[in-house]
Amino acid sequence: AQKITQTQPGMFVQEKEAVTLDCTYDTSDQSYGLFWYKQPSSGEMIFLIYQGSYDEQNATEGRYSLNFQKARKSANLVISASQLGDSAMYFCAMRRFADKLIFGTGTRLQVFP
Amino acid sequence: AAGVIQSPRHLIKEKRETATLKCYPIPRHDTVYWYQQGPGQDPQFLISFYEKMQSDKGSIPDRFSAQQFSDYHSELNMSSLELGDSALYFCASSLFQRGYNEQFFGPGTRLTVL
Repeated sequence: AQKITQTQPGMFVQEKEAVTLDCTYDTSDQSYGLFWYKQPSSGEMIFLIYQGSYDEQNATEGRYSLNFQKARKSANLVISASQLGDSAMYFCAMRRFADKLIFGTGTRLQVFP
Repeated sequence: AAGVIQSPRHLIKEKRETATLKCYPIPRHDTVYWYQQGPGQDPQFLISFYEKMQSDKGSIPDRFSAQQFSDYHSELNMSSLELGDSALYFCASSLFQRGYNEQFFGPGTRLTVL
């Protein structure tokens, strides 16, 4: 069975600083996808970044990067230069090919001025 | 670019009533997923459809049913509503052949059962 673990219920970061949100996963599959989604207080689920299990390079999307360490089964999200609008709930998730998403319990990030 | 459309966005029902949630996937997406997110919880998978056939089933109560129609839109039917059904219901769509890639989420339907 697949499982995602996010051990940080809440994180605080000052504006313009970088922050790392932790995510570890468990799976016996060789091929899978790892994702981060952002959920602001309005409720929508916003896709941020994707990492394939066979991708050798860490994924980056603007201020977001995914620190993928396959041997440790970790897929941490790094947000550089935090902005007040980054305050939200962040979910790590994974899926097999064409399968449902399995989510972690989320980390609530608060960015303060 | 077209996104996933869900209707209604908000729904208030009484206990024991029925509710129907609708989802219109991104054009040409052939797979639809339904998730339920309770207050303070992570989204939980309910059911999925590929090419109008049910492809997987999660922790969906027997009181719920769903289908995908010929135009690929999907409906989640919920009967004998209970207080615990109050949640945010997401529909997500994707293209089967891009199976490891992201699912695109709709804005969600917030269901409140009184």
